[in-house]
Amino acid sequence: QQQVKQSPQSLIVQKGGISIINCAYENTAFDYFPWYQQFPGKGPALLIAIRPDVSEKKEGRFTISFNKSAKQFSLHIMDSQPGDSATYFCAASIARGKLIFGQGTELSVKP
Amino acid sequence: GAVVSQHPSRVICKSGTSVKIECRSLDFQATTMFWYRQFPKKSLMLMATSNEGSKATYEQGVEKDKFLINHASLTLSTLTVTSAHPEDSSFYICSASRGGPYNEQFFGPGTRLTVL
Repeated sequence: QQQVKQSPQSLIVQKGGISIINCAYENTAFDYFPWYQQFPGKGPALLIAIRPDVSEKKEGRFTISFNKSAKQFSLHIMDSQPGDSATYFCAASIARGKLIFGQGTELSVKP
Repeated sequence: GAVVSQHPSRVICKSGTSVKIECRSLDFQATTMFWYRQFPKKSLMLMATSNEGSKATYEQGVEKDKFLINHASLTLSTLTVTSAHPEDSSFYICSASRGGPYNEQFFGPGTRLTVL
């Protein structure tokens, strides 16, 4: 199965809170899992990415947690800010192939 | 580094005309370029993958005669929407990869096409 399932579809978080977005996959051949941030009317921008041999990767306020046995990975945004309000996409690829995107999560951070 | 530009950012055209969208990698040579289409509040849908100097590989269901892709150099790919119709109105986004172990893609800012 080439699908990546993302949840929730939308998320509202208070300023300073933690935003958590989850993705699940079936194909164990996926070997690259990036997260993208997209603002309205703009192209996606790479936020952070992880390989399946790593369980966690942190860059600033953004952390990816990866659970290989459960075939799930998640994005955590610590100390969420109104400027983080955007749509977030998880993705996966196999052997440098095309990206398979999740459905997207619209995040709104309330001041 | 890894900046990708698109031109134009938005275009409005009449039904039946053709529209060309350019995608350029500004500070790296792109071994592969990708073209996506995105509908409002939806995910990105891959249309085709192109490598410099060779024919593009189109995804299932994408009409290759309608969406012409040319990858003339390592920094430029073009998408031409031929005989555009209102249903072709969409947000078109390109990405470019410079290779590497995971073929990381860098996305352009997108082009909003409106066909009247």
